[in-house]
Amino acid sequence: NAGVTQTPKFRILKIGQSMTLQCTQDMNHNYMYWYRQDPGMGLKLIYYSVGAGITDKGEVPNGYNVSRSTTEDFPLRLELAAPSQTSVYFCASSRTGGTGNTIYFGEGSWLTVV
Amino acid sequence: AQSVSQHNHHVILSEAASLELGCNYSYGGTVNLFWYVQYPGQHLQLLLKYFSGDPLVKGIKGFEAEFIKSKFSFNLRKPSVQWSDTAEYFCAVTPYGNNRLAFGKGNQVVVIP
Repeated sequence: NAGVTQTPKFRILKIGQSMTLQCTQDMNHNYMYWYRQDPGMGLKLIYYSVGAGITDKGEVPNGYNVSRSTTEDFPLRLELAAPSQTSVYFCASSRTGGTGNTIYFGEGSWLTVV
Repeated sequence: AQSVSQHNHHVILSEAASLELGCNYSYGGTVNLFWYVQYPGQHLQLLLKYFSGDPLVKGIKGFEAEFIKSKFSFNLRKPSVQWSDTAEYFCAVTPYGNNRLAFGKGNQVVVIP
């Protein structure tokens, strides 16, 4: 059981380039999330999804897009990368949004924009 | 929106010392509370969680946390730390029935052998 898998683990982008961070989970979870982690700032929610075909903005969605065509996959797209998007990105999932449901995190994707 | 406050961002202590990390949140309704740990180079792992019932929650690796509703607090404790407890610790809160976690800024804990 792999849990939440993110790729790539490390990436360097030039300003203005675009890329997609992949995330897949094999736990049949309905809810999926993307967070970014900046030093000393904790984690901020970028986007989340409560099921296939449904996505919604989190706290810091600007500069990002997501899609959820299947239950398993929740890719995060960066268009026109900016230095402010240098961060560690974590994908996460949970069975539902209700009480008792633990959120499981992937191992993170370290992104540097230069 | 709810906020989560963690104080003393950097904590340095010796092995066998006791650890207490404070967490306060601002949300006024029923909440679910979590402590996550992130070991160097690794992803976040759940230490413990509180949803209802006994306000003293026991987690993995000898950690425990106490929910004090009147103080809007969920402080994490461990009586005797080990070098392997060196990590960053995050408190997180969600409103009841909502899994959109709001995280605190984290406590960087370094345990000196």
